[in-house]
Amino acid sequence: AQSVSQHNHHVILSEAASLELGCNYSYGGTVNLFWYVQYPGQHLQLLLKYFSGDPLVKGIKGFEAEFIKSKFSFNLRKPSVQWSDTAEYFCAVKAGNTGKLIFGQGTTLQVKP
Amino acid sequence: DGGITQSPKYLFRKEGQNVTLSCEQNLNHDAMYWYRQDPGQGLRLIYYSQIVNDFQKGDIAEGYSVSREKKESFPLTVTSAQKNPTAFYLCASSTGQGAAGELFFGEGSRLTVL
Repeated sequence: AQSVSQHNHHVILSEAASLELGCNYSYGGTVNLFWYVQYPGQHLQLLLKYFSGDPLVKGIKGFEAEFIKSKFSFNLRKPSVQWSDTAEYFCAVKAGNTGKLIFGQGTTLQVKP
Repeated sequence: DGGITQSPKYLFRKEGQNVTLSCEQNLNHDAMYWYRQDPGQGLRLIYYSQIVNDFQKGDIAEGYSVSREKKESFPLTVTSAQKNPTAFYLCASSTGQGAAGELFFGEGSRLTVL
């Protein structure tokens, strides 16, 4: 069965620090990969997604993620975080052509001003 | 405005009672999903439906039931068989086209069992 693992449960950074959140998945076939973000008191919303082509994908608000197939990873990065990036971040995987989207446990990011 | 409407936002239930959470979408999406969100466990898939009159179990379907009689609606019933029903429930929909459809989420329903 497919699964998604996020290694960091709670990350605390100062403004302007660089961010990398890890995400690994287990599934041997074709995958579609997503990062969602949940700002305090708001809906979950899509940050970025990968489904084919360039493994380096860019999303909203300066975020990017790199799909490394050999490592089954899809890590999220941002060169310089802002206080407004404080939120919970979820990695998600859709395996093949199934309709099933599986989420990781989430990472809470706290950015100190 | 197009979107997903979940109701009620807050719900209290006594042990042994069934309760139904509503999810309606006007995005003309084919696929709909129910997730349960618990602290430290992320979102866990309860049920999903890719087309009307069809649905599949997710990873934690025990104690839950759904129906998909209309494209716009995907209600979730939390039955008395669910051992730990207190949680935040999220409904989502997707175009379902291919495997790359983005999920759009509702605001969620918080169920508390007294």
